[in-house]
Parts: sequence; C-alpha cells; structure tokens
Amino acid sequence: DTGVSQNPRHKITKRGQNVTFRCDPISEHNRLYWYRQTLGQGPEFLTYFQNEAQLEKSRLLSDRFSAERPKGSFSTLEIQRTEQGDSAMYLCASSLVLMLLPGTDTQYFGPGTRLTVL
Amino acid sequence: AQTVTQSQPEMSVQEAETVTLSCTYDTSESDYYLFWYKQPPSRQMILVIRQEAYKQQNATENRFSVNFQKAAKSFSLKISDSQLGDAAMYFCAYLRLLSGAGSYQLTFGKGTKLSVIP
Repeated sequence: DTGVSQNPRHKITKRGQNVTFRCDPISEHNRLYWYRQTLGQGPEFLTYFQNEAQLEKSRLLSDRFSAERPKGSFSTLEIQRTEQGDSAMYLCASSLVLMLLPGTDTQYFGPGTRLTVL
Repeated sequence: AQTVTQSQPEMSVQEAETVTLSCTYDTSESDYYLFWYKQPPSRQMILVIRQEAYKQQNATENRFSVNFQKAAKSFSLKISDSQLGDAAMYFCAYLRLLSGAGSYQLTFGKGTKLSVIP
C-alpha cells in the first residue's frame, strides 16, 4: 500500500492554458474524491467517483472543470482556460466503502497538486 | 448546508503539555461522522481520529482524544504530551451522509495552526 499519489506536485501555467492533474488512489479503493484548498482555508469538495461513475459534483466545479475515472482506478482532473482564481492546491482522496457496512468511509489524502496560474 | 467552525485560528502549546482544539458544527442530521485531520507544513493531510455520531463513547487514539458533545454540536480534540511533530494545521471535518445512496462528502473547517514550543 503506497498511499494516494498525485502528479504533478506543482504546476505553473499561464492564464488561458489547459492543465490536467492525475490521481492514483490506494489500490482497491472504490471511491475517489477531488477537493480544492486555497490558502488559509480548509479543503472544499469538488466531486467524487464510485468506481468509474461520477456521482456528485459541487457547484464549485464550473464547466471549465472536468474529471474522469475511466477504468475505476486512476482519475484525472482537467481545467480548461485556466484563470488566476483557479490557483489552489488540488487534493485527491480515496476510500474503500463497503456497502453492507455504511459508515466505513474514511478518506485518505494524497499530497496534492499545487496550481499557480500567472 | 452543514458548516464547521474552528474558532481558534492559531494555538500554541509547550512541549509535553496538553492542548485542546475546538470545533463546532451545524447540522440537522442525526447520523454523521466527525474527523480531525492534521496537515503538516508542505505535507499531506493525515487522519488523526474519527468519531461516529451514534457512539456516545469518545474516540481515543494514543495521545489524541476527542470530547464529543452531540447535543451541543461540539467536537474538540485534546492532544496530550505534545511533541514537536504535532506542529501542523488541524482541520475538523464533518462527513455527511447524503440521501439514498450512502454517498459522502467531507465539509472542513478553516483549520487551527498549532505551534509546539520546545
């Protein structure tokens, strides 16, 4: 168990460019979450996947944001036409939820991708 | 909507002493989970302790314990025998059970920065 990994760890881009982040969850975890954390704030929920299905999206996730988890393993988060307001730490978390045991969801976080939009 | 409030932006504690971090939350739900996460500088979020709302017994994890007061909607974290490695941002988080599907998303407070004085 190597934990949740995220790549890249840092990304600097110019306004208007597209960026894509990758998250590799803990193996066999069936849920994957994306959060955004700005300076001095706690993380804010963006979206999550149960296996390959995207089940919930926050209002924070504008139409410039898209997330995928094509095979129910790793996930990508793409931001199109980046804006300076997109500068933040993007956190990924994963969990193993056993449907017959509700409440077993404990989310384990990756190190995050820090995005800076110039 | 659920909200989580951490009223202490910063706290400090002498090494080997005890410190208590406060957290209150607002919810109309009866079934939920509460967490404390630790985020060291430039490092990833780590789960410290978890409490199920239906359990009256306060959770304990080595030097970390909580005081869960469901009626008062209070969830404080006590760190005993503080160590230098405890210095970090501490986030209180509420885990919401969405209707129907057993889906969850974490709502975080803004965090408390804990400094440990040698």
